[in-house]
Amino acid sequence: DTAVSQTPKYLVTQMGNDKSIKCEQNLGHDTMYWYKQDSKKFLKIMFSYNNKELIINETVPNRFSPKSPDKAHLNLHINSLELGDSAVYFCASSQGAQQETQYFGPGTRLLVL
Amino acid sequence: GIQVEQSPPDLILQEGANSTLRCNFSDSVNNLQWFHQNPWGQLINLFYIPSGTKQNGRLSATTVATERYSLLYISSSQTTDSGVYFCAVGYSSASKIIFGSGTRLSIRP
Repeated sequence: DTAVSQTPKYLVTQMGNDKSIKCEQNLGHDTMYWYKQDSKKFLKIMFSYNNKELIINETVPNRFSPKSPDKAHLNLHINSLELGDSAVYFCASSQGAQQETQYFGPGTRLLVL
Repeated sequence: GIQVEQSPPDLILQEGANSTLRCNFSDSVNNLQWFHQNPWGQLINLFYIPSGTKQNGRLSATTVATERYSLLYISSSQTTDSGVYFCAVGYSSASKIIFGSGTRLSIRP
């Protein structure tokens, strides 16, 4: 069974569109994260939720809106996609909010044309 | 904010060689993790190591928090060790996490 799963794995879309990426973890963890990895492989945290509550919200454009319907799911919705949003987006989870061992999903490769 | 620097940025080795990867950080941290990103993009957690030394097979890690660095040792390298190795530090009560820029390791057969 996959511990942290993301859908879709690949997403190709036009500028200006709205898209969502879904993430689910079956580890029973309380904390989930979204990261963005750019073309130079630099990884940056975007958001973190603990028990459905937002605890980290980095300087990310408000076109990005996370939603956590329950503690096993953290979805990422992106409005009005721009070329610079092209990247790999990783979801991760950990048992607690104190940056314990994190387990990553396989990533979603987003290409905005 | 806190700075995380990894060295070397790139490392090319023959199979069977040993290597040491370094992670320096500019301020006190609550924790530190090492990750391996394989050539297919998957990120695997190697160690959660805020201080001390841990070993897992051919890999071991040491963090000296008072001197603000961590080392990852890979012994008897195999081609499957190729990829990018990241360290990530957590700091402050706000659960901040910063990744280093990574060390790209290539193991030649």
